[in-house]
Amino acid sequence: AQSVTQLDSQVPVFEEAPVELRCNYSSSVSVYLFWYVQYPNQGLQLLLKYLSGSTLVKGINGFEAEFNKSQTSFHLRKPSVHISDTAEYFCAVSFTSGTYKYIFGTGTRLKVLA
Amino acid sequence: DGGITQSPKYLFRKEGQNVTLSCEQNLNHDAMYWYRQDPGQGLRLIYYSQIVNDFQKGDIAEGYSVSREKKESFPLTVTSAQKNPTAFYLCASAQNTPNYGYTFGSGTRLTVV
Repeated sequence: AQSVTQLDSQVPVFEEAPVELRCNYSSSVSVYLFWYVQYPNQGLQLLLKYLSGSTLVKGINGFEAEFNKSQTSFHLRKPSVHISDTAEYFCAVSFTSGTYKYIFGTGTRLKVLA
Repeated sequence: DGGITQSPKYLFRKEGQNVTLSCEQNLNHDAMYWYRQDPGQGLRLIYYSQIVNDFQKGDIAEGYSVSREKKESFPLTVTSAQKNPTAFYLCASAQNTPNYGYTFGSGTRLTVV
């Protein structure tokens, strides 16, 4: 079955510290991978996406993610977080064949502490 | 600027009432989606449409209805059959390719009073 797992529901981190938000997926076909950010009471905004090629993908706001096919992971990282990064982050996957529906993870709430 | 607009931002529904949430996009996207968001449950797909005059049920379609008469518009009706409608509703649009990524609206928060 196809699925996306974000194991950490909440991640507290101090300002200027590095952070990693984990995402693992399960699929029998090749995938495209996405990270979205949601600020309170707003819609989701695309941070970055992996389609093919280099496994390290850079996105907006200083975030990056690395695709690891053998571990079926797509973890999101930022070397130094700011208070303004406090938000909920969603990992999503779409499939290179079959339905165009995306599957979203349950989200990770990042709380940056002063 | 192109974008996707949801209205209203906040909506209150009485028991037994139907309400309609609006979603309009001017991105010329073929596909549109409705998601429901509850705390700790991520996004759950209600309905989606990949082409005008056609739509498909998602994972939690019971108690909801949609129409897609125009490419730009995909309204969602929450009917009285939906027993627990209080949630944050998100509309999204995309091209019909799996590598495109969604564009989301800013959401409608529906509360039953």
